[in-house]
Amino acid sequence: AQSVTQPDIHITVSEGASLELRCNYSYGATPYLFWYVQSPGQGLQLLLKYFSGDTLVQGIKGFEAEFKRSQSSFNLRKPSVHWSDAAEYFCAVDNYGQNFVFGPGTRLSVLP
Amino acid sequence: EAQVTQNPRYLITVTGKKLTVTCSQNMNHEYMSWYRQDPGLGLRQIYYSMNVEVTDKGDVPEGYKVSRKEKRNFPLILESPSPNQTSLYFCASRRQSGSPLHFGNGTRLTVT
Repeated sequence: AQSVTQPDIHITVSEGASLELRCNYSYGATPYLFWYVQSPGQGLQLLLKYFSGDTLVQGIKGFEAEFKRSQSSFNLRKPSVHWSDAAEYFCAVDNYGQNFVFGPGTRLSVLP
Repeated sequence: EAQVTQNPRYLITVTGKKLTVTCSQNMNHEYMSWYRQDPGLGLRQIYYSMNVEVTDKGDVPEGYKVSRKEKRNFPLILESPSPNQTSLYFCASRRQSGSPLHFGNGTRLTVT
């Protein structure tokens, strides 16, 4: 079945540490890929997207993500986390307009 | 300002009392969608609409209705709400397949 998985439900990092959030998808062809962030009490904000071409994409707030076709992964990274990055992060897949599916989310906590 | 507007932000109701959550976008987007967000489950699609008068079921359509009589509006209707529909609801729109979704700020519904 087609799906998007985020293996980590909750991650805690110290401020200034690096971050990697994992995302795997299960689709026949490479879909469009997105990362969204949701701060407490807020809607979802787009961080970055991958359509094709360069497998390393840059987003807002210093985030980047790398698409790896062989692993069906689209992991989100940030070299140095700030306290304001504490939020919930969602990976999403657009299967060429047929469906826009979200992963279950990873909650990020940041220690001072 | 380009935006998706949902109303109300908060709604408390009783079982069986019909309600409507409104959604409006000012970006002339053809595609609109409703999601519900529950802890540990991420965002699940309720209904979506590819254009005026065209609507389709998402993953969890039971107990919901929608209509798309004009491009900018996509109301979500609960004819007979039940406590298991207590959730956080998001409306979203996008220009075309492959474009990112733009989200409203959410409606927190409680059914007692």
